[in-house]
Amino acid sequence: AQSVAQPEDQVNVAEGNPLTVKCTYSVSGNPYLFWYVQYPNRGLQFLLKYITGDNLVKGSYGFEAEFNKSQTSFHLKKPSALVSDSALYFCAVRDAWGKLQFGAGTQVVVTP
Amino acid sequence: GAGVSQSPSNKVTEKGKDVELRCDPISGHTALYWYRQSLGQGLEFLIYFQGNSAPDKSGLPSDRFSAERTGGSVSTLTIQRTQQEDSAVYLCASSLDRNSNQPQHFGDGTRLSIL
Repeated sequence: AQSVAQPEDQVNVAEGNPLTVKCTYSVSGNPYLFWYVQYPNRGLQFLLKYITGDNLVKGSYGFEAEFNKSQTSFHLKKPSALVSDSALYFCAVRDAWGKLQFGAGTQVVVTP
Repeated sequence: GAGVSQSPSNKVTEKGKDVELRCDPISGHTALYWYRQSLGQGLEFLIYFQGNSAPDKSGLPSDRFSAERTGGSVSTLTIQRTQQEDSAVYLCASSLDRNSNQPQHFGDGTRLSIL
């Protein structure tokens, strides 16, 4: 069985500081990994994915993620956080049917 | 718009009633997924459609839950004899196909409240 873990329920960061949201995974075979963001009363919005290739993946809104096979991690990063980045972030792994297995989510709070 | 559309956006009903939730996927997307989001359980997979077939129904929590898809497009999730534990946000997503490396696109969900 495959799974993802997001060890932090909440991450607090000051605006302008770097933001990191952690994710670790457990899969057999090659992992297909995704990050999504959810704003209040909205659906999930795709940020970026790792399928194969470069370990550093660049996505929407200035976000990037680093795939680390040896540490089985796929941490989401942004060099300079904005107040508008405050939201709920989900890491997910995709199975052979395409369905997504999500982590528990990490609430990001960016203070001015 | 061209996104995934779900209706109703909110539904309040009494325990024991049946409810139908609708999903209009992005045109041309053959794969359709239903998920449930609740405070205690997080985001859970319910069912997957490829075209009108549902090869994976493993996430449906009980036989009170069923879903269908017609014309390879619109999907309906039905919950019979609703219970309070069914209260959640039901999210629908679509993608080009299950093998595609393209991401799933989500609707804004139906917030279901059982009184």
